[in-house]
Amino acid sequence: DQQVKQNSPSLSVQEGRISILNCDYTNSMFDYFLWYKKYPAEGPTFLISISSIKDKNEDGRFTVFLNKSAKHLSLHIVPSQPGDSAVYFCAASEGGTSYGKLTFGQGTILTVHP
Amino acid sequence: EPEVTQTPSHQVTQMGQEVILRCVPISNHLYFYWYRQILGQKVEFLVSFYNNEISEKSEIFDDQFSVERPDGSNFTLKIRSTKLEDSAMYFCASRQGSSPLHFGNGTRLTVT
Repeated sequence: DQQVKQNSPSLSVQEGRISILNCDYTNSMFDYFLWYKKYPAEGPTFLISISSIKDKNEDGRFTVFLNKSAKHLSLHIVPSQPGDSAVYFCAASEGGTSYGKLTFGQGTILTVHP
Repeated sequence: EPEVTQTPSHQVTQMGQEVILRCVPISNHLYFYWYRQILGQKVEFLVSFYNNEISEKSEIFDDQFSVERPDGSNFTLKIRSTKLEDSAMYFCASRQGSSPLHFGNGTRLTVT
């Protein structure tokens, strides 16, 4: 199942710089997109979301961009902090009655170096 | 902040045995989910549950699986006769209205 793809298994960034995590999807029925962060031995923690009617959503240091024509979204973290080191999952849903049925990407391991 | 609680954190069982994974969703949430992640693979949807019935399930969720909300606080996933390939992290999640899913810390199921 490759409906949601994160092509970079890992990303290494210096503290204070920008982290950009990318995600591509193939299902044009996806209506709602989310980013989750996961630490070892914990469940995914919600970070930020965006619906298909928007192209950008910001929450503090986190911004998600959606390019519907390219079926691509990205998460920007500025400035990156060592505590941001975790696995980041992109997820998508068709919305409506399937709102909570998420399709996840493989995850990207982000390491932020002090 | 309220959280989804899952017990046990690790369950070891023998092939063919029944196992019940337990979850306490956030108290005012009405939509409940089970997801799983096999080691090295994606997190994948199993089932959603609302108003005391299954609202959607994946092809993984076959007759060996069942879910139940036995009382006002617990939500359980039962695997009737476990197989080696059922070994995975199982995550429970819940939400209210249009809020995003809140996940528990998972139960690691090991089938030997």
